[in-house]
Amino acid sequence: AQSVTQLDSQVPVFEEAPVELRCNYSSSVSVYLFWYVQYPNQGLQLLLKYLSGSTLVKGINGFEAEFNKSQTSFHLRKPSVHISDTAEYFCAVSDRGTGRRALTFGSGTRLQVQP
Amino acid sequence: EAQVTQNPRYLITVTGKKLTVTCSQNMNHEYMSWYRQDPGLGLRQIYYSMNVEVTDKGDVPEGYKVSRKEKRNFPLILESPSPNQTSLYFCASSSGTAYNEQFFGPGTRLTVL
Repeated sequence: AQSVTQLDSQVPVFEEAPVELRCNYSSSVSVYLFWYVQYPNQGLQLLLKYLSGSTLVKGINGFEAEFNKSQTSFHLRKPSVHISDTAEYFCAVSDRGTGRRALTFGSGTRLQVQP
Repeated sequence: EAQVTQNPRYLITVTGKKLTVTCSQNMNHEYMSWYRQDPGLGLRQIYYSMNVEVTDKGDVPEGYKVSRKEKRNFPLILESPSPNQTSLYFCASSSGTAYNEQFFGPGTRLTVL
């Protein structure tokens, strides 16, 4: 079984400031890691994913995330946010098997970018 | 355009009145899944399908049914909806590759009175 903890339910930040959204996971097996973004009244869009290899992963819209196996973390970062980044962000994990392939999601972090 | 579509997008119904939410994908994906999203809980899987005629329960299947008669369609059926099924529902699909990147539909907001 897997679980995902997003440590902050809301993160207010000023425009052009850096931001970090934290994600920790627990799993007894190797996992794939994802960050999804949900803009108001829209579905989920994949921001980035970690499958293997380099632990620093770059995604769309200037976001990046770093996989830390020893700390079981996958924090999302952006060096300078824009108003348009206001959205809810979900961290998710999936086991590497070919079975149920369910994504286990965290409870989400609402990023509020203020002018 | 590659996409997952859901209908209806919004639905208000009453307790006990059977309803179906449709989901269709045009990417020839083998895997499809339904999730529900509730505040503070993230998304939880209801049912999934590995291919045509192959379906199985997710984490919260009670009160739901699904079918997979065609590869592109994966309807979610609530035979006797109850107020605790008021939620935002997402359909997702994924190819047969090993790493499970799932593509999500726009969501269906269901209210059961």
